[in-house]
Amino acid sequence: GAGVSQSPSNKVTEKGKDVELRCDPISGHTALYWYRQRLGQGLEFLIYFQGNSAPDKSGLPSDRFSAERTGESVSTLTIQRTQQEDSAVYLCASSAGLSEETQYFGPGTRLLVL
Amino acid sequence: SQQGEEDPQALSIQEGENATMNCSYKTSINNLQWYRQNSGRGLVHLILIRSNEREKHSGRLRVTLDTSKKSSSLLITASRAADTASYFCATGSRAAGNKLTFGGGTRVLVKP
Repeated sequence: GAGVSQSPSNKVTEKGKDVELRCDPISGHTALYWYRQRLGQGLEFLIYFQGNSAPDKSGLPSDRFSAERTGESVSTLTIQRTQQEDSAVYLCASSAGLSEETQYFGPGTRLLVL
Repeated sequence: SQQGEEDPQALSIQEGENATMNCSYKTSINNLQWYRQNSGRGLVHLILIRSNEREKHSGRLRVTLDTSKKSSSLLITASRAADTASYFCATGSRAAGNKLTFGGGTRVLVKP
């Protein structure tokens, strides 16, 4: 079946603009995660959705970052008033739920803030 | 913040040789996973080892876990040029919603 998809693949924006990144998880996966990966580094957790529970936002670096998820489907990560330090690859992953530890990653969105 | 430290940061070997990389972590975990990343994009899940397991095999991959030392190792046997990639360990805790905490990765170059 289809894997996790993300759009856009690449995004170039100017400092101060808002951006929206989209993630389509694997159908039926109740858990959805967003991570950020700066150049040459490992992934940093941003936010996590599980079913209808309140999201775990503990990894969001500032109040400029927010995310939403519609039911158990699409999620959007919004970065307001982008800064150059927001430049990174933003990766989304989904899993079948708390009982399933393996996460399946999308290809990521490479964001460049000029 | 990153929980894990991986070493070496980079590894260069000849095709056919074995590649070993290590990962250390700081907090209690339920599982530790290894992922591969090509060209800085999507991650591919390689293998998962649970906290009550000590060793696991999958094809040419062998993973060990020592919870007393809070460390894990990944061994790739008989490496191939296609194994060239970055390898990341990640720890998960069910109490934390299984969100993964990643190490900084090991960049592996397999020369033909």
